[in-house]
Amino acid sequence: QKEVEQDPGPLSVPEGAIVSLNCTYSNSAFQYFMWYRQYSRKGPELLMYTYSSGNKEDGRFTAQVDKSSKYISLFIRDSQPSDSATYLCAARYNQGGKLIFGQGTELSVKP
Amino acid sequence: GAGVSQSPSNKVTEKGKDVELRCDPISGHTALYWYRQSLGQGLEFLIYFQGNSAPDKSGLPSDRFSAERTGGSVSTLTIQRTQQEDSAVYLCASSLRQATTEAFFGQGTRLTVV
Repeated sequence: QKEVEQDPGPLSVPEGAIVSLNCTYSNSAFQYFMWYRQYSRKGPELLMYTYSSGNKEDGRFTAQVDKSSKYISLFIRDSQPSDSATYLCAARYNQGGKLIFGQGTELSVKP
Repeated sequence: GAGVSQSPSNKVTEKGKDVELRCDPISGHTALYWYRQSLGQGLEFLIYFQGNSAPDKSGLPSDRFSAERTGGSVSTLTIQRTQQEDSAVYLCASSLRQATTEAFFGQGTRLTVV
């Protein structure tokens, strides 16, 4: 079993839709949770991170972590074609070190 | 440059040959990571360097894989006796210090073993 699990999709939505991307994890020691976005043939770039449980909002993006259920979510409001990319969730221990990534979800937003 | 630089961007090699992949991290970043991304897969952790500490090599898939980081800056990932299953994109990332959450990734080296 992978430490961080993510549905690889692909996920296709119409422009303007609300997108929900989700991950689960197995190690309760994880404290930091991140979402990266990766465009085709590019390296991943950090979108958002949260520490422990809670919500974090940045523009059209909201990240949620529920440590009781070991569930990580990313919501994209008013999705745009430019949001079409692969979204990767990741987790890390409090003391630093390696990031553990999910498989990534490929998102396509159709005009 | 301002970002993480990896070279070469593409590498085609014959099965059984050795390859070296290079990573130039962002200046001043003390942490450096190598990941592997196979087609349609997420990022598989390979190795992590932090300052002068012993590297975390727990993700290296076999003893054909090794990495070093000279002078706390440039890193080289070496794959000996390459196999077709080594074909993947090899991504390098660096971060300012161990506790930071933001790791900046390079564009990757696309390795094809024929």
